[in-house]
Amino acid sequence: QLQLQESGPGLVKPSETLSLTCTVSDGSISSSSYYWVWIRQPPGKGLDWVGSIYYGGNTYYNPSLKSRVTISVDTSNNQFSLSLSSVTAADTAVYYCSRRGIAARPIWGQGTLVTVSS
Amino acid sequence: DIVMTQSPLSLPATPGEPASISCRSSQSLLYSNGNNYLDWYLQKPGQSPQLLIYFGSNRASGVPDRFSGSGSGTDFTLKISKVEPEDVGVYYCMQALQNPLTFGGGTKVEIK
Repeated sequence: QLQLQESGPGLVKPSETLSLTCTVSDGSISSSSYYWVWIRQPPGKGLDWVGSIYYGGNTYYNPSLKSRVTISVDTSNNQFSLSLSSVTAADTAVYYCSRRGIAARPIWGQGTLVTVSS
Repeated sequence: DIVMTQSPLSLPATPGEPASISCRSSQSLLYSNGNNYLDWYLQKPGQSPQLLIYFGSNRASGVPDRFSGSGSGTDFTLKISKVEPEDVGVYYCMQALQNPLTFGGGTKVEIK
């Protein structure tokens, strides 16, 4: 069954760009039935939606991050990515990728911890 | 934005006894296809959130049948028929009807 796996640096310096990839296994990222989501959870806090990307490339971002965040799809590698620029310590979190669909069970990756520190 | 409100914040539970958590949304989560876009997750200590219920009442694969979800529109409930010690953790509801996707603040379940 479909699985998602986040990957990327676990440590990013302040003011730099956080870049994460979510690899989709045993399923196609190109299906119009699904959309792809990034969610994050700061240490000891609740869950926050970062953004979503739909078939065709439409994106929606958390307004609090909108000027710094970009989500994109790489169909050739069956991946989607998150880029968050100008990071600060407040961006330290576990980042999760997820697949959602109008008629599909949600699926999440296991998450990856990103720490922003010099 | 759809605001998700969970109650209670904390729930001391007795093994073998039932427990329930409420989740209310500021707008109806019922879509025209008949699905309610409401998920329930359990985050056990030190682990990632695990899906328990989706579409308000569909139990996810591998989830024990002591967990059930009910409700429609704006009022939803997660019920545990008989609490087990391994059910401790933080429970979250989440709406996926529209962006921004939003979460309840969480309910921490502890064993008495």
